[in-house]
Amino acid sequence: AQSVAQPEDQVNVAEGNPLTVKCTYSVSGNPYLFWYVQYPNRGLQFLLKYITGDNLVKGSYGFEAEFNKSQTSFHLKKPSALVSDSALYFCAVRDHSNYQLIWGAGTKLIIKP
Amino acid sequence: DVKVTQSSRYLVKRTGEKVFLECVQDMDHENMFWYRQDPGLGLRLIYFSYDVKMKEKGDIPEGYSVSREKKERFSLILESASTNQTSMYLCASSLVQYEQYFGPGTRLTVT
Repeated sequence: AQSVAQPEDQVNVAEGNPLTVKCTYSVSGNPYLFWYVQYPNRGLQFLLKYITGDNLVKGSYGFEAEFNKSQTSFHLKKPSALVSDSALYFCAVRDHSNYQLIWGAGTKLIIKP
Repeated sequence: DVKVTQSSRYLVKRTGEKVFLECVQDMDHENMFWYRQDPGLGLRLIYFSYDVKMKEKGDIPEGYSVSREKKERFSLILESASTNQTSMYLCASSLVQYEQYFGPGTRLTVT
């Protein structure tokens, strides 16, 4: 069965430190992977995607993600966290059979000053 | 920039009422989606549409229906609202093979 796992409900990071939000997936075929961010009482905003090519993908707001095929992971990273990065982050993978997205449960990122 | 708008940010309805949630996108996207988001449950797909007048059930279609008469507009209908439909409703649109773009959401409370 196709699935996405975000193993951490919450991640706490001090401002200025690097951050990582983890995502692993299970999908048949080549994965199309996405990261979204949601600020309180707002819709989701697209951050970045991996379709093919370089395993390190750069996206909005200084975020990047590393695709690792052997570990079936797509972790979101940022070298230096900002308090304004505090939000809910969702990982998703495309189901090739119907073009829908399979969503992770979300990870709450808290950046402390 | 892609823009997806939803008719209301906050809505309060009574049990048994018929509720219409409207979503409009301005990028000529083929696909449109309705999700609900609840704490601890993530995003759950209610219905999606890949073309005008076409619709497909998602994971939780019970108690909902949809309408897509024009390409840019996708409506979610709660035929008889119930308290367990209190939730955040998110609309999204996409080209066939690419990322989805979301509206700001409608927080619906059914009393």
